[in-house]
Amino acid sequence: QVQLVQSGAEVKKPGSSVKVSCKASGGTFSSYTISWVRQAPGQGLEWMGRIIPILGIANYAQKFQGRVTITADKSTSTAYMELSSLRSEDTAVYYCARDPTQSRDGYIDYWGQGTLVTVSS
Amino acid sequence: SYVLTQPPSVSVAPGKTARITCGGNNIGSKSVHWYQQKPGQAPVLVIYYDSDRPSGIPERFSGSNSGNTATLTISRVEAGDEADYYCQVWDSSSDHSVVFGGGTKLTVL
Repeated sequence: QVQLVQSGAEVKKPGSSVKVSCKASGGTFSSYTISWVRQAPGQGLEWMGRIIPILGIANYAQKFQGRVTITADKSTSTAYMELSSLRSEDTAVYYCARDPTQSRDGYIDYWGQGTLVTVSS
Repeated sequence: SYVLTQPPSVSVAPGKTARITCGGNNIGSKSVHWYQQKPGQAPVLVIYYDSDRPSGIPERFSGSNSGNTATLTISRVEAGDEADYYCQVWDSSSDHSVVFGGGTKLTVL
């Protein structure tokens, strides 16, 4: 059974950065992709980017280009999402999620439990 | 960038059929995936590749996709189906990104 376990809630000041981790168990970490999706309070789902761990290649939504970095450590089956220059609008639950394909029409079959990031002065 | 349009809300009586639409330009040429999200929980995949159902998802959930509209159909709706539903595609035209619809709140009357 695949599990994605994320790091705990964070409270950050505007202008700072946050790094959220996502440890995978079950399945073969390198054979799938990990996406990061966020959800602001009362809002919909917003895709931020993804990484193919076996290649170490990430691609990002245009909206977050230059502000988000997604990495993966194959030795620990852990993915990371770092978001910089935080502002209040970045307050959201951040999910890591697994796409079992490496294609560009894939879907998400497992989600982490979510990490609440609160940006407040 | 590619835009997916969902109705904000759909209401249905128990035992009836709910249809949730997802509109997009020539969406029929894309693969559409659907997620169910209940309050305080992570989303759950209910339909992938337009009409495939993951194991554990009831046969009451089905999907179709043609032209400019994809549809998630829930037959014999139950109270437990009340949730937000999101459609998702890949936008390969620009930055190769995942796109979600705005979500539809399904209310069981």
